[in-house]
Amino acid sequence: AQSVTQLDSQVPVFEEAPVELRCNYSSSVSVYLFWYVQYPNQGLQLLLKYLSGSTLVKGINGFEAEFNKSQTSFHLRKPSVHISDTAEYFCAVSDQGTSYDKVIFGPGTSLSVIP
Amino acid sequence: AAGVIQSPRHLIKEKRETATLKCYPIPRHDTVYWYQQGPGQDPQFLISFYEKMQSDKGSIPDRFSAQQFSDYHSELNMSSLELGDSALYFCASSLGRISYEQYFGPGTRLTVT
Repeated sequence: AQSVTQLDSQVPVFEEAPVELRCNYSSSVSVYLFWYVQYPNQGLQLLLKYLSGSTLVKGINGFEAEFNKSQTSFHLRKPSVHISDTAEYFCAVSDQGTSYDKVIFGPGTSLSVIP
Repeated sequence: AAGVIQSPRHLIKEKRETATLKCYPIPRHDTVYWYQQGPGQDPQFLISFYEKMQSDKGSIPDRFSAQQFSDYHSELNMSSLELGDSALYFCASSLGRISYEQYFGPGTRLTVT
């Protein structure tokens, strides 16, 4: 069974500072990896996804993530955050090539950008 | 571009009542997924349908049932509502059973009083 761990439940960061949100996963099979963002009282928006190939994935709003298979990690980074980045961020995983469709989400990291 | 539509967006019910949530997938998408997100929780997979057949099942209570209709829209029926059912219910859709191409709707916020 898959699981996702997000080591930090809350991350405060000053505006224009860099940020890294950590994500580790466990799975017995190859996986697809995702980062979703949820703004207050809104739905889930896909930031980026890793399917295969280059381990550095670039997403929307200046975010990027790096897949590290040996460390089973998929950390999200942004070099300079804005107030508008304040939101909940979910790391997620799904199996490759199985009959299971579901996406398994991590517990989320609340990013607060301080002016 | 057209997105996933969920209705209603907000719903208030009392304990032991029933509720029906509707999901209209992106045009031509044939797969629908339902997720439940409790307050301060991560989304949990409930159930999915592909071509009107149940394709995967998660932690969906027996009090809940769902189906996908011929036009590919889906309905989640919830009976004997409990306070703990208060949550944001997301629907997602994809073309084919491709988990990495799921597009999420805005959610229905269900409040049980």
